[in-house]
Amino acid sequence: DIVMTQSPATLSVSPGERATLSCRASQNINDNLAWYQQKPGQGPRLLIFGSSTRATGIPARFSGSGSGTDFTLTINSLQSEDFATYFCHQYNDWPTFGPGTKVEIK
Amino acid sequence: QVTLKESGPALVRPTQTLTLTCTFSGFSLSTNEMRLNWIRQPPGKALEWLARIDWDGDKYYNSSLKTRLTISKDTSKNQVVLTMTDLDPVDTGTYFCARIPPYKSSSLAFDVWGPGTMVTVSS
Repeated sequence: DIVMTQSPATLSVSPGERATLSCRASQNINDNLAWYQQKPGQGPRLLIFGSSTRATGIPARFSGSGSGTDFTLTINSLQSEDFATYFCHQYNDWPTFGPGTKVEIK
Repeated sequence: QVTLKESGPALVRPTQTLTLTCTFSGFSLSTNEMRLNWIRQPPGKALEWLARIDWDGDKYYNSSLKTRLTISKDTSKNQVVLTMTDLDPVDTGTYFCARIPPYKSSSLAFDVWGPGTMVTVSS
């Protein structure tokens, strides 16, 4: 199985600032990576697929980059509704997920 | 509007069989390259993919759980059912169904998820 790791586990950010989240795969996954946002008691919401393509309805402040084994999700000018947990997911092989990064209010 | 909703028992005894139903609307599982998945999340832990069923009836399972899982679909009822046998307390968690639509780019990202259903395995 491809192991996904994420860093940091928790990120404290002030509203209006930028958040940078990292995701690493244990082997090459090309650009077959998605990012999701999850809030307590809800199912995940797709943000990014193909490493950098925003899903329908996702604001432009969310952007993804990377290829191979190292990926980044950037959230510019954090809004109150962006404080949540973010997961990465590789689908180059059978699906596996990272453990998540919790973005909390500083 | 595409929606998915999971249903099933909240409490299951160890060694019993769990049956979960995903009821969906806003699309047809008969559509070419439409796929539905089951994914679970133990409390405080990472998501784990369990199984997938495709528009053409093909089925795929997590290799570590394959002997315990069965996925099926009833296209006329817009439902996908997952059964898991021989439950153990480590199977406790929230179970989600999630869709993979026919992407132009052949992506396999899950574009819509249900709210999940919490299952506790305990005697």
